[in-house]
Amino acid sequence: DADVTQTPRNRITKTGKRIMLECSQTKGHDRMYWYRQDPGLGLRLIYYSFDVKDINKGEISDGYSVSRQAQAKFSLSLESAIPNQTALYFCATSDFTDQPQHFGDGTRLSIL
Amino acid sequence: DQQVKQNSPSLSVQEGRISILNCDYTNSMFDYFLWYKKYPAEGPTFLISISSIKDKNEDGRFTVFLNKSAKHLSLHIVPSQPGDSAVYFCAASEGGGKLIFGQGTELSVKP
Repeated sequence: DADVTQTPRNRITKTGKRIMLECSQTKGHDRMYWYRQDPGLGLRLIYYSFDVKDINKGEISDGYSVSRQAQAKFSLSLESAIPNQTALYFCATSDFTDQPQHFGDGTRLSIL
Repeated sequence: DQQVKQNSPSLSVQEGRISILNCDYTNSMFDYFLWYKKYPAEGPTFLISISSIKDKNEDGRFTVFLNKSAKHLSLHIVPSQPGDSAVYFCAASEGGGKLIFGQGTELSVKP
């Protein structure tokens, strides 16, 4: 079983819809992250959380929100999806500073 | 403004030869650097890292070099194998757990 699990793996939806992407981990890590990957831009940080009561904006948080329901669960929401949010979304976890982040296999999101 | 740049979108190398992937950064506060490898339909996987107090770190066929004065990072793969074909991302951190990624370089190793 994967240590970092993202659901769904693929999603196609329409402009204006609310969407939730979910991430769960079995690594016991405190820190969780959401990134999006766009062609030619690499991975960009959307939000991150260092523990259940800690939520921080990343470099591209506009249009997104997150919820840290438990140490093992971190969900990303698009309240009203727009086409330029079409991208590959990754969740990652880490133990503490300067330890490599571990990634899930991603969610491919298409907004029509 | 992109703080971490990989200026080569792609690289093609013959099996058995050396692959050199490059990465430049602008933020002198970065103190930890990593390389990730990504196969299609999978998430990035950690490959190798280096702290700013070192200039070289080696792990099997993979070596990362850091030139702080030039703000340049490189990954050497020797010898290259077809299974190394993937997209490689460099990433940097100035502490606090946040990573800044480059755009990625797609490596193709031909038999």
